[in-house]
Amino acid sequence: GAVVSQHPSRVICKSGTSVKIECRSLDFQATTMFWYRQFPKKSLMLMATSNEGSKATYEQGVEKDKFLINHASLTLSTLTVTSAHPEDSSFYICSARVAGGPPDTQYFGPGTRLTVL
Amino acid sequence: AQSVTQLDSHVSVSEGTPVLLRCNYSSSYSPSLFWYVQHPNKGLQLLLKYTSAATLVKGINGFEAEFKKSETSFHLTKPSAHMSDAAEYFCVVSDQGGSGGSYIPTFGRGTSLIVHP
Repeated sequence: GAVVSQHPSRVICKSGTSVKIECRSLDFQATTMFWYRQFPKKSLMLMATSNEGSKATYEQGVEKDKFLINHASLTLSTLTVTSAHPEDSSFYICSARVAGGPPDTQYFGPGTRLTVL
Repeated sequence: AQSVTQLDSHVSVSEGTPVLLRCNYSSSYSPSLFWYVQHPNKGLQLLLKYTSAATLVKGINGFEAEFKKSETSFHLTKPSAHMSDAAEYFCVVSDQGGSGGSYIPTFGRGTSLIVHP
């Protein structure tokens, strides 16, 4: 139980284009999803907290207009990297909390490797 | 405010010997503490979780961790390392310090476990 998927697992795009990454909770409903960025050999950096049906809460230093987050349903959140540049290349990981479940526990997706040329 | 410190960036052991990965935390509340494992280019898998029940927590794959409030520690141990344990390990603290009493996780920087044959 509590499986989270991400799609795509890898994406390569040209500089200036936009890329959408999907995060889905497969066997549970998730009122809250988190988006993280992980640099090589580094820890996870929380980018934003996404609540279903409301605007995402971004962490300090994360550009809202560049990293668009939509949490339109209880099983899907999307992260769109707009006008991507090489410095946006990274490993992006989402996580989700089970609706009605422990508020302190999150389940992670497998991650999406973004490479911007 | 909460924080977590993983005291070692790398730990190297021989197969069959004990593993100790150290983690210290600080929190203004009664925190929940987690250990996650990440294999290369993969998402995070929950190893174990502490939430104010038994101080010795048993997890998957033979791992366990002991919560010591007096030392503000939550070290991860395993009696006998296996080659498949080689991965990155993250200690995470989560308390109700988020807006509206929400739980927001804070990650340690990670410890890379190296297992020699």
